[in-house]
Amino acid sequence: AQSVSQHNHHVILSEAASLELGCNYSYGGTVNLFWYVQYPGQHLQLLLKYFSGDPLVKGIKGFEAEFIKSKFSFNLRKPSVQWSDTAEYFCAVNAPFGSGTYKYIFGTGTRLKVLA
Amino acid sequence: EAGVTQSPTHLIKTRGQQVTLRCSPISGHTSVYWYQQALGLGLQFLLWYDEGEERNRGNFPPRFSGRQFPNYSSELNVNALELEDSALYLCASSFTGPDTQYFGPGTRLTVL
Repeated sequence: AQSVSQHNHHVILSEAASLELGCNYSYGGTVNLFWYVQYPGQHLQLLLKYFSGDPLVKGIKGFEAEFIKSKFSFNLRKPSVQWSDTAEYFCAVNAPFGSGTYKYIFGTGTRLKVLA
Repeated sequence: EAGVTQSPTHLIKTRGQQVTLRCSPISGHTSVYWYQQALGLGLQFLLWYDEGEERNRGNFPPRFSGRQFPNYSSELNVNALELEDSALYLCASSFTGPDTQYFGPGTRLTVL
């Protein structure tokens, strides 16, 4: 079955530390990849997405992600985190599901806490 | 531009009851998705509607159903509620196709 794995469930970092959140998916075909973020008290919102082209994708607030097809990975990175990055981060895959349909599969999320 | 709206915000029901949740998509969006977010389980895909048709559904029993209206708003119905149905139910909308989803604030359902 198709799945998305986020290996880090909770991450605690100090401000200015570098961040890398792992995301692996299991699907052999063409996929679209997303990272969504949910700040405390706010809706889920898009951080960045990859559809095609340059596998290094830049998103909002200094985040970037790299699509490595051979590793089925789409890891999220930020060189220097801020206290305001405290949030829950979700990796998602959009994959074809036959007959012209597709489905979204979300990972279980990673809760990031940044200490001031 | 108004975002995705959901109602009600909170609901408390007892086992065996039925519930209806509502979602209004962003203007111009024709696709509506429903997710269940239970503690520690991430977002579980429930249903996808596009242009009034059910396009796909997740691995949930038939007591989870819904529909999409001509104005693209949507309802999620859950019959014969069970304790494990307690969760945050999120609605998202997008343009047709595998595009970015825009999420609403969710409806918190508690089943006692």
